[in-house]
Amino acid sequence: QSALTQPASVSGSPGQSITISCTGSSGDIGAYTYVSWYQQHPGKVPKLIIYDVSQWPSGVSTRFSGSKSGNTASLTISGLQAEDEADYYCSSFTSADTLVFGGGTKVTVL
Amino acid sequence: EVQLLESGGGLVQPGGSLRLSCAASGFTFINYGMSWVRQAPGKGLEWVSSIGVRAYTTYADSVRGRFTISRDNAENTLYLQMNSLRAEDTAFYFCARPILSGADKRGFDFWGQGTLVTVSS
Repeated sequence: QSALTQPASVSGSPGQSITISCTGSSGDIGAYTYVSWYQQHPGKVPKLIIYDVSQWPSGVSTRFSGSKSGNTASLTISGLQAEDEADYYCSSFTSADTLVFGGGTKVTVL
Repeated sequence: EVQLLESGGGLVQPGGSLRLSCAASGFTFINYGMSWVRQAPGKGLEWVSSIGVRAYTTYADSVRGRFTISRDNAENTLYLQMNSLRAEDTAFYFCARPILSGADKRGFDFWGQGTLVTVSS
């Protein structure tokens, strides 16, 4: 159950687009379309922003979009806003019927 | 309104035990698998355990054999019995509900506020 690999930090200017990668293996991301992404502001609980690779929960901005290629999933934030500054985590279902999270990525809006 | 309220956290010595509870309301509890996710202070998220609607249980390697997840559908409550606690189990423990009633690990759309477990002598 090794954690998924995410970059420690990503930054961008307001209005720009940024992409966060999440790399796993053929036993998790590569095998299933069950990748989720969470946004977590300091002191707050995680918020689901993408599930099943590219689906939006009700009420989530479509500026957030998800995709997957092989063993790597990606989250793109378009039209970056100050409120997007937060930690982002990916997760994936695994072949062992478990769940694995990424180490998290800190997004900074310059 | 969906609400998840954890309780039972606190300070415990290494090797000790603790039982966490998560009271659920605002949805049909019996229709959802439920999970526990933890987060050590200043660290990332770690999945701990899930229990399906038919009480099938799964665990992370780090807690298997020490933690037991269970549910009481009559009381709409999720539990996590934690035994043989270690310093590395220190974390905020969140209960979480999946976005899809039939799939307990495909994204958690509701989270409790968390309860802090501190394992220290």
